[in-house]
Amino acid sequence: QQQVKQSPQSLIVQKGGISIINCAYENTAFDYFPWYQQFPGKGPALLIAIRPDVSEKKEGRFTISFNKSAKQFSLHIMDSQPGDSATYFCAASIGSQGNLIFGKGTKLSVKP
Amino acid sequence: KAGVTQTPRYLIKTRGQQVTLSCSPISGHRSVSWYQQTPGQGLQFLFEYFSETQRNKGNFPGRFSGRQFSNSRSEMNVSTLELGDSALYLCASSPDRGRFGYTFGSGTRLTVV
Repeated sequence: QQQVKQSPQSLIVQKGGISIINCAYENTAFDYFPWYQQFPGKGPALLIAIRPDVSEKKEGRFTISFNKSAKQFSLHIMDSQPGDSATYFCAASIGSQGNLIFGKGTKLSVKP
Repeated sequence: KAGVTQTPRYLIKTRGQQVTLSCSPISGHRSVSWYQQTPGQGLQFLFEYFSETQRNKGNFPGRFSGRQFSNSRSEMNVSTLELGDSALYLCASSPDRGRFGYTFGSGTRLTVV
């Protein structure tokens, strides 16, 4: 019930391409879905987040697509750059509980 | 605006010892959460503090404990260290229990030998 399943585990994309990372959840009580980016030696940094009353949110090259009926959400990185190479985590939480349930992460490599 | 500060950055301890990690949240943030990150288990929630009270706890043994002070600074303690406790321990803060997102620190890398 509390799991968030993330795929793929690793992803290699050419510079300028689109990176797509998918997540699925089971608990319909989740009401906040953030994506985090983590570079080696650093803590996760909030990239973009969405709430279930919205189907899509875009911030620069990053877009979250949210499908409430399928209980899935995905991160799209447009025009991927070598500087985007990092590990990406999806997460979910119930606002009143103050904790994040994370996916296992996707290691993205963008080749020049 | 200063970010979330965790000290120390690196720590090496011997099995059986105890350790205390410190976290200073962003000024004005009242919620502090702790996470353990390992290659095998990923990011796992330890506990959350808000207004000096533990509000939520993850599935970790009682050897893991924490507290929050009146200035929102937080500490976590691990007693009787085991080799499996080697991990990156991350602190995250939020203005109000995650409603506006969590900001993470760079973590404390704990190695148990």
